[in-house]
Amino acid sequence: AQSVTQLDSQVPVFEEAPVELRCNYSSSVSVYLFWYVQYPNQGLQLLLKYLSGSTLVKGINGFEAEFNKSQTSFHLRKPSVHISDTAEYFCAVTLSGGSYIPTFGRGTSLIVHP
Amino acid sequence: DVKVTQSSRYLVKRTGEKVFLECVQDMDHENMFWYRQDPGLGLRLIYFSYDVKMKEKGDIPEGYSVSREKKERFSLILESASTNQTSMYLCASSYTEAFFGQGTRLTVV
Repeated sequence: AQSVTQLDSQVPVFEEAPVELRCNYSSSVSVYLFWYVQYPNQGLQLLLKYLSGSTLVKGINGFEAEFNKSQTSFHLRKPSVHISDTAEYFCAVTLSGGSYIPTFGRGTSLIVHP
Repeated sequence: DVKVTQSSRYLVKRTGEKVFLECVQDMDHENMFWYRQDPGLGLRLIYFSYDVKMKEKGDIPEGYSVSREKKERFSLILESASTNQTSMYLCASSYTEAFFGQGTRLTVV
């Protein structure tokens, strides 16, 4: 079975600073990787996904992530954050061949201070 | 615009009541899921369904059941609600990536 570890439960950062949210996964087979964002009292929406191809993936709102197979990581980055990026971020993994059941990390709360 | 719709945003129910949470998707996805979200615990899978009338238990199925009579609709049932089922419930459907509803915040008093 696959698993996901988000290494930071909370990341405080000042506006316009860069940020990295860390995600490591464990799986014995090939996986698809995802980052989702959740604003207060909302459902989750997809930020970006890695299915195959280029290991650097660009998503919405200026976010990007890099798939590193040797490190089994999929860290999320943004070069300059805004107050509006304050939200909960979830990393998720599914097996690339199978029933596509997502397994989620516990989430990282990004808090952007003015 | 693709959509997953949950029937209620907020619900307050009494202990012992039977509770139905409804979810409808318009993307013709075979896979549908119910998750429970609690602070510090992330999303935990309750049940999933990969086809009409097909269901599989997730990580925390105790106290819950599900129904999928039509492809677009997946219902979560709390047979006898208890206070420890107070939580945010999220429905999703997927092919590869998951699409989520807005969530139902259930309070059991």
